Amino acid sequence: EAGVAQSPRYKIIEKRQSVAFWCNPISGHATLYWYQQILGQGPKLLIQFQNNGVVDDSQLPKDRFSAERLKGVDSTLKIQPAKLEDSAVYLCASSLIFAGGRTGANVLTFGAGSRLTVL
Amino acid sequence: LAKTTQPISMDSYEGQEVNITCSHNNIATNDYITWYQQFPSQGPRFIIQGYKTKVTNEVASLFIPADRKSSTLSLPRVSLSDTAVYYCLFNTGTASKLTFGTGTRLQVTL
Repeated sequence: EAGVAQSPRYKIIEKRQSVAFWCNPISGHATLYWYQQILGQGPKLLIQFQNNGVVDDSQLPKDRFSAERLKGVDSTLKIQPAKLEDSAVYLCASSLIFAGGRTGANVLTFGAGSRLTVL
Repeated sequence: LAKTTQPISMDSYEGQEVNITCSHNNIATNDYITWYQQFPSQGPRFIIQGYKTKVTNEVASLFIPADRKSSTLSLPRVSLSDTAVYYCLFNTGTASKLTFGTGTRLQVTL
């Protein structure tokens, strides 16, 4: 099966510019996640979609970050305007289902990430 | 929010068994424990997942004691290619944040 596709792989912009990242999850995966990974740190969850609805966006800096998942498949993460501290790798992941109960154990499949450098 | 604690780094020689422990004192009843491996310039990759006792697959074993306040990832006979960062992570059945810790950086040498 095809993996999680992300683009672009690398992006360099100046502060105050805008940037958009695209993610195509594994076919049939209902749940999609965007993580931010700053160098030397673990991934930090920004937003989680269940189909095309937002489950959790409590850690998304909504004054500059936005994300959407059209038709419950592809997703786009946008940053406008970018700040120096936004330099990071943006990881997209998907999973089959966000199930509850003891049988609910979703496994995330990650893309290779999009590395953003803000100058 | 459930949090995890892992050693920052570990060193091992090729061929040895490596055990990485993760502490998760406030794990919830519905929480599974999942371990991921991450190489430079790649996204994390699933290794193993468990709820209690012991789970084994082709690459690793996961030991979870009865109180489930910790878990140990065991990598048998590591090779140079196992050099990576290893994260433990909660999967929960509620709408909580799937948060990674800082991870354990494993360095394998000859």
